[in-house]
Amino acid sequence: DTGVSQDPRHKITKRGQNVTFRCDPISEHNRLYWYRQTLGQGPEFLTYFQNEAQLEKSRLLSDRFSAERPKGSFSTLEIQRTEQGDSAMYLCASSLADGATYEQYFGPGTRLTVT
Amino acid sequence: QKEVEQNSGPLSVPEGAIASLNCTYSDRGSQSFFWYRQYSGKSPELIMSIYSNGDKEDGRFTAQLNKASQYVSLLIRDSQPSDSATYLCAVNIIPPLASGGSYIPTFGRGTSLIVHP
Repeated sequence: DTGVSQDPRHKITKRGQNVTFRCDPISEHNRLYWYRQTLGQGPEFLTYFQNEAQLEKSRLLSDRFSAERPKGSFSTLEIQRTEQGDSAMYLCASSLADGATYEQYFGPGTRLTVT
Repeated sequence: QKEVEQNSGPLSVPEGAIASLNCTYSDRGSQSFFWYRQYSGKSPELIMSIYSNGDKEDGRFTAQLNKASQYVSLLIRDSQPSDSATYLCAVNIIPPLASGGSYIPTFGRGTSLIVHP
């Protein structure tokens, strides 16, 4: 257990529905990352926050995806109008980016199935 | 060209042997490099980070970085069946027009390692 938690662990939804996932990072970590991973691939970067500011967002990311980290603590990732291609493992990670080290620690992931 | 490339394997080694995993990357400006282990159905687990050219050792693991050749490797000594997993290489890629230390964490697709008794 890295100390990063994600909720829910599994989500089954019907195409067209909206879903929201939550991530709670390690408490002293200032950076929080979201990734998507499909079978046989490495994690694909979606976005990351430093405190409450969203610093980078993947240019490949559909505008159906949005993420927030309102108070610089937990974060939510929302997918609107889900499609079958959104089925994947959604991973959250956190790090203490202090200018010298950038190690990320992953949560257990949320597995999304869109039917 | 993909930004971080790994041979998908599988790499099969006998128990007790040295496993050598390799990774190349495209961005010459990258400064931060990581190896993660991922068991089937689990999330990635950090094994090593390396920021400077040369070798970094931690127990049975050694990471090697050569920025001139844009190459990073992971050696696992005395391989055990419990080391059987997918090993992911990750690089913090500096995007165009990046500001304030921003980067894009970029993963390879991973190399599957099988250690057989």
